[in-house]
Amino acid sequence: GAGVSQSPSNKVTEKGKDVELRCDPISGHTALYWYRQRLGQGLEFLIYFQGNSAPDKSGLPSDRFSAERTGESVSTLTIQRTQQEDSAVYLCASSLIGGASEQFFGPGTRLTVL
Amino acid sequence: QKEVEQNSGPLSVPEGAIASLNCTYSDRGSQSFFWYRQYSGKSPELIMSIYSNGDKEDGRFTAQLNKASQYVSLLIRDSQPSDSATYLCAVIRSQGAQKLVFGQGTRLTINP
Repeated sequence: GAGVSQSPSNKVTEKGKDVELRCDPISGHTALYWYRQRLGQGLEFLIYFQGNSAPDKSGLPSDRFSAERTGESVSTLTIQRTQQEDSAVYLCASSLIGGASEQFFGPGTRLTVL
Repeated sequence: QKEVEQNSGPLSVPEGAIASLNCTYSDRGSQSFFWYRQYSGKSPELIMSIYSNGDKEDGRFTAQLNKASQYVSLLIRDSQPSDSATYLCAVIRSQGAQKLVFGQGTRLTINP
């Protein structure tokens, strides 16, 4: 079946502009996660959605970052007033039931802030 | 102390040999452990999950878990050049956010 999809695959923007990244989870997966991976670095957790529960936003680095998810479908991650340090690959993952269940990653969106 | 620690490598192994990748974690209550493979420029791909002490085998891959020692490892038998990648160990915390905490990864190179 189809895996996690993300769009765009690449995004180049100017400092100060807003960007929106999209994630389509695996059909039927109730949990969705966003991570960030800077060049040569490990993965950093950003936010976690589980069903209709309030999202866990504990990993968002600043109030410029926000994310939404409609039901158990598409999620968007928005970065306002982008800064050069926001340049990274943004990865989305989904899992069947959240908690300890296996997470499957999408291909990522490479964001470059000039 | 980092929550999940891995030797960053690079680890070089001749083709056909066994590659051994190690990971330690600090949260004694953690119950769920995962190994991901990440090729350069690609996203992480799940290889193995392990939840109980002991060994779990899947093809050429064996995951080993020792909760008393807070240690998890991945063995790759009959290593192939296509196994060359960065291997990420990930652990789910026992309390708080149910998120994956990743190690920095071990870069593995299989030499033909």
